[in-house]
Amino acid sequence: RKEVEQDPGPFNVPEGATVAFNCTYSNSASQSFFWYRQDCRKEPKLLMSVYSSGNEDGRFTAQLNRASQYISLLIRDSKLSDSATYLCVVSNTDKLIFGTGTRLQVFP
Amino acid sequence: DVKVTQSSRYLVKRTGEKVFLECVQDMDHENMFWYRQDPGLGLRLIYFSYDVKMKEKGDIPEGYSVSREKKERFSLILESASTNQTSMYLCASRKLLGTGGFSYNEQFFGPGTRLTVL
Repeated sequence: RKEVEQDPGPFNVPEGATVAFNCTYSNSASQSFFWYRQDCRKEPKLLMSVYSSGNEDGRFTAQLNRASQYISLLIRDSKLSDSATYLCVVSNTDKLIFGTGTRLQVFP
Repeated sequence: DVKVTQSSRYLVKRTGEKVFLECVQDMDHENMFWYRQDPGLGLRLIYFSYDVKMKEKGDIPEGYSVSREKKERFSLILESASTNQTSMYLCASRKLLGTGGFSYNEQFFGPGTRLTVL
């Protein structure tokens, strides 16, 4: 079983739609959680950290459920520029464990 | 802005060649990392370095070695390249926060080197 699992997608949504991604992790001792964004043929970049209380950054909301060991990312009012692969990232040491990513394609 | 640069965007080598991938960061970060990224497997950690002259094996170190002689530079070496090392290689750096415990600082990635071994 992979340490971090994501639905690879693609999720194809129209502009303005709300879309949600989930990610599950296997190590209950994991302490830090992140979402990274990776555009096609580019490097990953931090989108947001995920806190126990949940956090919001504009149109993006991240949630953590420790009991069920999953993390979610909600994107409201999708833009064409949101098209990318979203990587779920988990850590319980100094190392980061990356999921394989969920691909989002927003169409006009 | 943090900048992480890698020596080549694209590289083609032959089986058995020795390959050097260079990574340089300009923000005085202590930690540096080398990953490879393959379809369906995601990013996998090859080696990392907490600071100058230090190195630790990641999850898939076989067939690779590293060198960190200066703080800003972290090199990945393929002693004898093989076709299964064809991949996208990504370098990252991170500032170390505080002492002891875990550092949750953001990792900044370089643009990647797409290596093809024929």
